[in-house]
Amino acid sequence: GNSVTQMEGPVTLSEEAFLTINCTYTATGYPSLFWYVQYPGEGLQLLLKATKADDKGSNKGFEATYRKETTSFHLEKGSVQVSDSAVYFCALTLSSNTGKLIFGQGTTLQVKP
Amino acid sequence: EAQVTQNPRYLITVTGKKLTVTCSQNMNHEYMSWYRQDPGLGLRQIYYSMNVEVTDKGDVPEGYKVSRKEKRNFPLILESPSPNQTSLYFCASKADRRNSPLHFGNGTRLTVT
Repeated sequence: GNSVTQMEGPVTLSEEAFLTINCTYTATGYPSLFWYVQYPGEGLQLLLKATKADDKGSNKGFEATYRKETTSFHLEKGSVQVSDSAVYFCALTLSSNTGKLIFGQGTTLQVKP
Repeated sequence: EAQVTQNPRYLITVTGKKLTVTCSQNMNHEYMSWYRQDPGLGLRQIYYSMNVEVTDKGDVPEGYKVSRKEKRNFPLILESPSPNQTSLYFCASKADRRNSPLHFGNGTRLTVT
């Protein structure tokens, strides 16, 4: 079946450290891939997306590249800030399906000053 | 402002007492969906709707009902809530079923005692 696996959290970093959150997927067909972010007490917000292999999504200093050969979509940021503390969700959708987003379990990031 | 509005934000109820969580979007989106978020499980889809009067089950529909009488509204109904429905619920909408991102409400935290 279709699924998304994220690295276990929580991830704790110091301000200005480099961030990687791993995400791999299993999918039949050609998925679109997304990263969503959830700040405390809020709903999820789209952070970035990529719709085909080798596409790079980017936003607010975050980047992720759609790697079909390794079925991965790892999230990276060169220098994290305290304000980046949140829960990050990797997700996929297949154009052939009902439009459903399939989410990973989420990774909590805590950035300390 | 484009948004998805859920009410209430917090709800505490007792087993068996019917309740409704409302959801409204002002973006003229055709697609709407309900998810529940539980620790370690990420988000799981409960029900979705492709358009007015068109609804279908997601991955965890048991114990829930929905209706889509108008394009903007998609209420979630728990006819006889049970403690295992204690969770954080999110309504979401998007423009179509392909690569459009989901827009989420701020969530409803439900506790069933």
